[in-house]
Formats: sequence, C-alpha cells, structure tokens
Amino acid sequence: DADVTQTPRNRITKTGKRIMLECSQTKGHDRMYWYRQDPGLGLRLIYYSFDVKDINKGEISDGYSVSRQAQAKFSLSLESAIPNQTALYFCATSDLASGSSYNEQFFGPGTRLTVL
Amino acid sequence: AQRVTQPEKLLSVFKGAPVELKCNYSYSGSPELFWYVQYSRQRLQLLLRHISRESIKGFTADLNKGETSFHLKKPFAQEEDSAMYYCALSGSGNTGKLIFGQGTTLQVKP
Repeated sequence: DADVTQTPRNRITKTGKRIMLECSQTKGHDRMYWYRQDPGLGLRLIYYSFDVKDINKGEISDGYSVSRQAQAKFSLSLESAIPNQTALYFCATSDLASGSSYNEQFFGPGTRLTVL
Repeated sequence: AQRVTQPEKLLSVFKGAPVELKCNYSYSGSPELFWYVQYSRQRLQLLLRHISRESIKGFTADLNKGETSFHLKKPFAQEEDSAMYYCALSGSGNTGKLIFGQGTTLQVKP
C-alpha cells in the first residue's frame, strides 16, 4: 500500500543540537507538509511544499528549516533545538485534483521529539 | 484572519448518548471544512468533508455559514468512537493548506 513514513519515530536530544526529521512517501503526491502537535493547540503548519522547487513557510516556521530532496522526500531540520520545540511532529501529503480546491491530506505516524 | 475554534478540550458521554462536537470558524471567503479523527495508536485520518454531505460511521456535519459553524454529530455514540477529533478549514485558491482547530477528545463510557 502507498504510505507516508517518518523517521525517527522517537528522538530525545539536548538543547543546541541539530536535528533532522525525515518524511518519505510512496503515494506519488506532489504536496507535502510538516505540522507540530501540542496539547491544547492542535496541529500547526510549519512548512509546506507544492513540488521540489516550491517551498513555503507556514504559521510557525521560526527555528525550523526544510529540504525537499525529491518528490517523495521532505525533511524538517531544527538547526539548534530548544526545549519549547518538544512536540509531536507530523508529515502529511496531498494530491490536488485538477480543477478542484478540495484535497485530503494523508498523515504519517508522527515523530515524538523531546528537547532537554 | 483564518481561524478554527473547538471550544471543548474533552467531551465525555455514555454509550448510546447523542454526541455533538462543536467547531466554529473564521474565514472571509467560501471555506471547505473537514473533520479529521485520530484513534488511539492510529494516524490522523479524514473522517468527513462538508462538500460531500456524507455520513461516515454514523457521523454527520452540516456547514452553517450564518453561524460559521461545522459541528460534528452522531445520534448514538459507541465506545469505538473514542478518539481525538480535529476540525479543519481549507481556504480558497487551491493552496491545499489546512488550518486545524485545537482538537476535542471524545470519551465514550460504557
């Protein structure tokens, strides 16, 4: 089955360390997204990409960067991790049907990141 | 500003009772509204979308533009409905972005 995978699934790191979270998909979708989930705040969009050459900031991009290495891969980096970046991070993909504004997003299993 | 508000963090009901998870939105154009669900140890997944006007697992949601609401309803809750529910909004312009609410945990007690 076509899928969205995330690695690692869990990560504990220290303040100031550089961290990369990876997302891969076999759905053949053009669009990919990174969200973070915090209790009481829901999911907030960090970055999104419509294709390899089109990357856009979301509502909370400060402290994060991304790389779209290929259609199937979208990585999220924390250049210098800080404790308030402790959260559950989700990758998602979507495939916008031609002529329609509707799209369903398909989510990965999440990466639980703890910054000490 | 685009915003989705789910006023209840936790909704606890008994099996067989009616359920209504509230969602209000703020958007100046014509939004598309969705409900996503996350069951324990499963991924976040789409439950239903307003444009389809469908019933999924007994749940329905009607877009009320006058009240800017998209409440999720089910007449008789089941224990397997226990999950986290997110309301989400997609604006016009084919951006594909979703704005999520804070989420409501539904707990259905036996």
